[in-house]
Amino acid sequence: AQKITQTQPGMFVQEKEAVTLDCTYDTSDQSYGLFWYKQPSSGEMIFLIYQGSYDEQNATEGRYSLNFQKARKSANLVISASQLGDSAMYFCAMRGPFRQGAQKLVFGQGTRLTINP
Amino acid sequence: NAGVTQTPKFRVLKTGQSMTLLCAQDMNHEYMYWYRQDPGMGLRLIHYSVGEGTTAKGEVPDGYNVSRLKKQNFLLGLESAAPSQTSVYFCASRKDSLSYGYTFGSGTRLTVV
Repeated sequence: AQKITQTQPGMFVQEKEAVTLDCTYDTSDQSYGLFWYKQPSSGEMIFLIYQGSYDEQNATEGRYSLNFQKARKSANLVISASQLGDSAMYFCAMRGPFRQGAQKLVFGQGTRLTINP
Repeated sequence: NAGVTQTPKFRVLKTGQSMTLLCAQDMNHEYMYWYRQDPGMGLRLIHYSVGEGTTAKGEVPDGYNVSRLKKQNFLLGLESAAPSQTSVYFCASRKDSLSYGYTFGSGTRLTVV
């Protein structure tokens, strides 16, 4: 079974600082995908970044990067130069191998990030 | 292009009442999913569908039923609502088995009193 663990219920960061949100995962599959989503106070789920298990380089999308350490089974999200608008709930999620039917997303508990001015 | 549309956005039910949540997507996606979000628990999968006419149970299916009579619509039903079903419900869709992107609806906030 797949499992995602986010151990930081809340984080407080000063504006313009970099922030790392932790995510560890557990799976016995060799093929899988890892996602980060942002959920602002308005409630929608916003896709941020994706990392495939066979991708050799860490994924980057603008100010977001995913620090993928396969041996440690961690997929931390790094936000550079944080902004007030980054205040939100952040979810790490994993999908299973493409061969496994519906490839359901499994989510972590989330981390609430607050950016202080 | 509307993407994934959930109706209603908000609803208050009395215990024992029934209702149906509608998820509609206009992207011709094969896969559709229903999740519930509760504080401290992330999103948990209720039911999912891999195509028109198919449904399957997810992690927390008890108390819910689903139907996918048309490819674009995925309905989530509560036959006899309970306070434990107070939650935010999200629908998501995915194009096919080889695509990695999931498109989420904006959610339905349901309160059962």
